[in-house]
Amino acid sequence: GQQLNQSPQSMFIQEGEDVSMNCTSSSIFNTWLWYKQDPGEGPVLLIALYKAGELTSNGRLTAQFGITRKDSFLNISASIPSDVGIYFCAGHDTGTASKLTFGTGTRLQVTL
Amino acid sequence: DVKVTQSSRYLVKRTGEKVFLECVQDMDHENMFWYRQDPGLGLRLIYFSYDVKMKEKGDIPEGYSVSREKKERFSLILESASTNQTSMYLCASSLGGSSNQPQHFGDGTRLSIL
Repeated sequence: GQQLNQSPQSMFIQEGEDVSMNCTSSSIFNTWLWYKQDPGEGPVLLIALYKAGELTSNGRLTAQFGITRKDSFLNISASIPSDVGIYFCAGHDTGTASKLTFGTGTRLQVTL
Repeated sequence: DVKVTQSSRYLVKRTGEKVFLECVQDMDHENMFWYRQDPGLGLRLIYFSYDVKMKEKGDIPEGYSVSREKKERFSLILESASTNQTSMYLCASSLGGSSNQPQHFGDGTRLSIL
């Protein structure tokens, strides 16, 4: 199946720094979702985006649905140690009702 | 909050055994999904279901089957387990009616086939 291009693959940052990651697709998406997965756990939904141009925040996290409907980004401000994990983007494209396409993940490491 | 519960966090089985992975959701969701997650390969869809007794193949259905006898429960079956089925298995559910509902995941079952 299709996968989204997600970058960067991994990041090593210091506590307090801001983080930015993004996802791109070759096809138009109706929905963009961002998940976080802790080691040994299942992905947890962070933010859901439903409209092109939409900008949504959840605490220190902010995500945007790109105007072209082919991309999305996630920003984390003032990172803390518990932000460590793998962040996945996912989306519904126009032809696969209810099925999600997933990004390859961004592994975030935060150093003190 | 949506609760998706997978019956086992860790499971060890032998080659050739029939293995059942169970998933239950408590939010009356129509859609349920089974994925496997492997390093470097991301999440891959095995099977999904839009309704009771209904199932559709995902991207990698070979070697697996599923059962959905009740709306809240979706079972993944490995008919004859093989070592290449050692993986993290994730169950998810979502509301039906619209194609854009987010999926909510369980904590996963880490399955080892010896």
